[in-house]
Amino acid sequence: EAQVTQNPRYLITVTGKKLTVTCSQNMNHEYMSWYRQDPGLGLRQIYYSMNVEVTDKGDVPEGYKVSRKEKRNFPLILESPSPNQTSLYFCASSPLRGSYNEQFFGPGTRLTVL
Amino acid sequence: AQSVTQLGSHVSVSEGALVLLRCNYSSSVPPYLFWYVQYPNQGLQLLLKYTTGATLVKGINGFEAEFKKSETSFHLTKPSAHMSDAAEYFCAVSVNTGNQFYFGTGTSLTVIP
Repeated sequence: EAQVTQNPRYLITVTGKKLTVTCSQNMNHEYMSWYRQDPGLGLRQIYYSMNVEVTDKGDVPEGYKVSRKEKRNFPLILESPSPNQTSLYFCASSPLRGSYNEQFFGPGTRLTVL
Repeated sequence: AQSVTQLGSHVSVSEGALVLLRCNYSSSVPPYLFWYVQYPNQGLQLLLKYTTGATLVKGINGFEAEFKKSETSFHLTKPSAHMSDAAEYFCAVSVNTGNQFYFGTGTSLTVIP
């Protein structure tokens, strides 16, 4: 089944404790992206990647890192999480460049930083 | 820079009534426009998109949207609401000179039996 998977689905952590949220897609998509969803703010793009070893900042990249060493994986890294990073995070992928293509979203990761 | 405005964070309609969800965008270049739907505790899925060509686009589940360049709008409609349409709806824009996407703040649709 074609899908985007994220792990973990739920995570409660404490301020400053490094964490990684994994994202993997099995559709051979070039484009992958991370979003955070907050009430009243909709989805905001954190980082995106057009291909292996190519990543770019979205609208809200501060406090996050990403890497794209393999085409299928695009982990989101929070080196020193803070409470304002408590949010619902979505990974998405898309074929080719992504600008006009449908994005396929993962199920989301709900992160709470205490 | 691009931006998306969705008027009405909450919309309620009776079952069988017309659904109208509003989306206005701002873009300095021709945009690509999307509507996504999010059901409770799920990720987003595409309803429909406009890239080029016909300005009236049809999507899944009986939804359609019309791109009106003069009004910078991309409103989503469905002639007759069904209970299963209750969800959150997001309008999004991207442009072909970049690979960033901008989403609206979402509209929560409630369908009253």
